[in-house]
Amino acid sequence: GNSVTQMEGPVTLSEEAFLTINCTYTATGYPSLFWYVQYPGEGLQLLLKATKADDKGSNKGFEATYRKETTSFHLEKGSVQVSDSAVYFCALYNAGGTSYGKLTFGQGTILTVHP
Amino acid sequence: GAGVSQSPRYKVAKRGQDVALRCDPISGHVSLFWYQQALGQGPEFLTYFQNEAQLDKSGLPSDRFFAERPEGSVSTLKIQRTQQEDSAVYLCASTETELSYNEQFFGPGTRLTVL
Repeated sequence: GNSVTQMEGPVTLSEEAFLTINCTYTATGYPSLFWYVQYPGEGLQLLLKATKADDKGSNKGFEATYRKETTSFHLEKGSVQVSDSAVYFCALYNAGGTSYGKLTFGQGTILTVHP
Repeated sequence: GAGVSQSPRYKVAKRGQDVALRCDPISGHVSLFWYQQALGQGPEFLTYFQNEAQLDKSGLPSDRFFAERPEGSVSTLKIQRTQQEDSAVYLCASTETELSYNEQFFGPGTRLTVL
């Protein structure tokens, strides 16, 4: 079956530090990969996505590259801000069978950025 | 409304009580998903509707869980005879079409606590 594994958290950084949150996946075929973010008190929001190998998704200074050879989709940002404090979820969608678009999520990584 | 809304935002139930959780998707959205998010975990798929048809209920954990979307818009997730292990945040998401993958727009969730 499909599964997503994220690095253990929480992650605490100082403002302007470099961020990496690791994500690896297990899936048959060619899944699409996503990062969702959940700010306090809000619903999950799509941050970025990549639909095929070697694609790079990017948004708001965050980037992630779909690496099929290592089955990874690590999230990076060069300089984090306090406003980036949130929970980050890696997820995949696998079109095989009758998936109907349902997402498989990792366990989430709590990011706290201090001034 | 502009986004997906859910009500109530918080629900406390005594073990054995029945609860009903409501989801109002974005107007006109064809697909609707329910997910369950246990504390410290990522969301897990429960069920999927395409308009009023429930096409996938493979994620419902027991026959105490029931979902409906009778007119293809508002959906209700009902849990009968609640148990402590049902305590979680229940998320609803909708997508514009029934195509294999569209961006899912999530509501803020209903936090259910079973005492």
